[in-house]
Amino acid sequence: AQSVTQLGSHVSVSEGALVLLRCNYSSSVPPYLFWYVQYPNQGLQLLLKYTTGATLVKGINGFEAEFKKSETSFHLTKPSAHMSDAAEYFCAVSDQAGYSTLTFGKGTMLLVSP
Amino acid sequence: DAGVTQSPTHLIKTRGQHVTLRCSPISGHKSVSWYQQVLGQGPQFIFQYYEKEERGRGNFPDRFSARQFPNYSSELNVNALLLGDSALYLCASSAGQGVTGELFFGEGSRLTVL
Repeated sequence: AQSVTQLGSHVSVSEGALVLLRCNYSSSVPPYLFWYVQYPNQGLQLLLKYTTGATLVKGINGFEAEFKKSETSFHLTKPSAHMSDAAEYFCAVSDQAGYSTLTFGKGTMLLVSP
Repeated sequence: DAGVTQSPTHLIKTRGQHVTLRCSPISGHKSVSWYQQVLGQGPQFIFQYYEKEERGRGNFPDRFSARQFPNYSSELNVNALLLGDSALYLCASSAGQGVTGELFFGEGSRLTVL
């Protein structure tokens, strides 16, 4: 069974500050890992994903994440927050043998202040 | 090109009623997945269909059912509605049945059960 833990239901940063959203996973097989963003009243949009290969993954809008197997982590970062980054972020995991089945964390709301 | 479209966008039902939610995938996508997102939680997997066959089922009661039509659109049906079924129901499509391809989400159908 897989699971995802996102530390912090809310994270507040100032515009221009570093964004760090934490995600730890549990999986019995090598995982596929994802970060999605959800803006109010909208569906989810894929930010980035890790399947195999390079452990540092770059995504859209300047976000990146690093897969650390030893720490079972996949934290999302962005060097400089923008007001438009305010949204809810979800980390998700899937096993390599699975179909389009994702197990999501509970989400982290990112608040950006001017 | 149109994205994933879902209907209706909002609906209100009373306990014990039945509901049908509809989803049209992106043109050319053969896989449709359904997720339930309760307020304050991450999406939870309900079903996946690929080439009109059920390929995955989450931990939901038999009151939940779905099907995929020859044009790859899909319906999610929920019988004997309970208050706890109130949620945002998300449909996602992908070209293949695995997770390495991107899942594209619709904006969801928000169901309120009174």
